Amino acid sequence: DAKTTQPTSMDCAEGRAANLPCNHSTISGNEYVYWYRQIHSQGPQYIIHGLKNNETNEMASLIITEDRKSSTLILPHATLRDTAVYYCIANQGGSEKLVFGKGTKLTVNP
Amino acid sequence: DTGVSQDPRHKITKRGQNVTFRCDPISEHNRLYWYRQTLGQGPEFLTYFQNEAQLEKSRLLSDRFSAERPKGSFSTLEIQRTEQGDSAMYLCASSPATSAKGFFGPGTRLTVL
Repeated sequence: DAKTTQPTSMDCAEGRAANLPCNHSTISGNEYVYWYRQIHSQGPQYIIHGLKNNETNEMASLIITEDRKSSTLILPHATLRDTAVYYCIANQGGSEKLVFGKGTKLTVNP
Repeated sequence: DTGVSQDPRHKITKRGQNVTFRCDPISEHNRLYWYRQTLGQGPEFLTYFQNEAQLEKSRLLSDRFSAERPKGSFSTLEIQRTEQGDSAMYLCASSPATSAKGFFGPGTRLTVL
């Protein structure tokens, strides 16, 4: 699975959009980009995933660049409950395991 | 949907003792994973089952660790002769086949004194 690179930490004001970048320059054509988050002392939670096209669900939007070397997770109106560590993972979809990095610690401030 | 459950949520043990954790996955999911997470790190893959078959084990899984999923439903992870370095959060996840959309349980936090 491709390695991903994320900033260590980010801050966002409550009510504003949080844009979390992820670099996956070595991603292969059959690898999806998955995003998970982990709120303190809980198990990771699936957010969204995509292959080529931008995706949106009730939690977030995922923007993948045309060359697929990077992506951005967008939380449109961040709340205090969105404070968590966000993980970007490249995975073949049917692959047996998720390879987590250290993720981005997002802090949403009042 | 009752989600993935894990038991116990917390376990404190003395070095050298054996411990066993249980994971109950989402009922229709045939894939089950175990991960370990230490402070400040992302979860690390330990092993995975498809139904009752254990298909992959990480090099992290020393011979003191054993996992089973005898009937393709719940799974157990046993650690024998625990060491202080085994102190971590042990996470279980399940997913349907052909998807990495994993559903994680709340984890079991192990402290080895």
